[in-house]
Amino acid sequence: SAVISQKPSRDICQRGTSLTIQCQVDSQVTMMFWYRQQPGQSLTLIATANQGSEATYESGFVIDKFPISRPNLTFSTLTVSNMSPEDSSIYLCSVEGLAKRDTQYFGPGTRLTVL
Amino acid sequence: GESVGLHLPTLSVQEGDNSIINCAYSNSASDYFIWYKQESGKGPQFIIDIRSNMDKRQGQRVTVLLNKTVKHLSLQIAATQPGDSAVYFCAENQAGTALIFGKGTTLSVSS
Repeated sequence: SAVISQKPSRDICQRGTSLTIQCQVDSQVTMMFWYRQQPGQSLTLIATANQGSEATYESGFVIDKFPISRPNLTFSTLTVSNMSPEDSSIYLCSVEGLAKRDTQYFGPGTRLTVL
Repeated sequence: GESVGLHLPTLSVQEGDNSIINCAYSNSASDYFIWYKQESGKGPQFIIDIRSNMDKRQGQRVTVLLNKTVKHLSLQIAATQPGDSAVYFCAENQAGTALIFGKGTTLSVSS
């Protein structure tokens, strides 16, 4: 089955800095998604990233804070910019349709702590 | 607003028991539902899904039931094992829209 990997798996960052998270899939996919999971909470969609077009952001999330790149069908990055402690979360990428149409499959997540 | 929620945040069972995890959804237009399992430090793992044209679907040791009349979804785990301990999320969407996740139920299995 396809593998979804994320880098880094975890990081501790200082406030005001930025971190870029990478998501790599070992097969080509059309739709990739980025989620945030705050401690002890459920998943909240940040944006949808399709190759060849601008990412579509959900309410409450903006491009200046969470710029996303999708250069090809197997890779995407999410940057968390100008971080504050409130950005401490797990960031997850997911892809749709690897084994089942419409079903999303998730990477292992990036655990971010902002001091 | 529309949301997907779970009835109980935690569920504790003995090894070998059957577990039932419940989820209520509010969007009657939703036509696709998924259960995910998330172990500590890992991303959500797909367990089973069901479309709105069905009311029951079975997998290996797991069964999903969908009651569209009362907008209720449940996950049944047979012969629960310690390895089943995790947080379980239901998620729903309709065609072309984003997946919406419920709050999660923590399942604890004791030996």
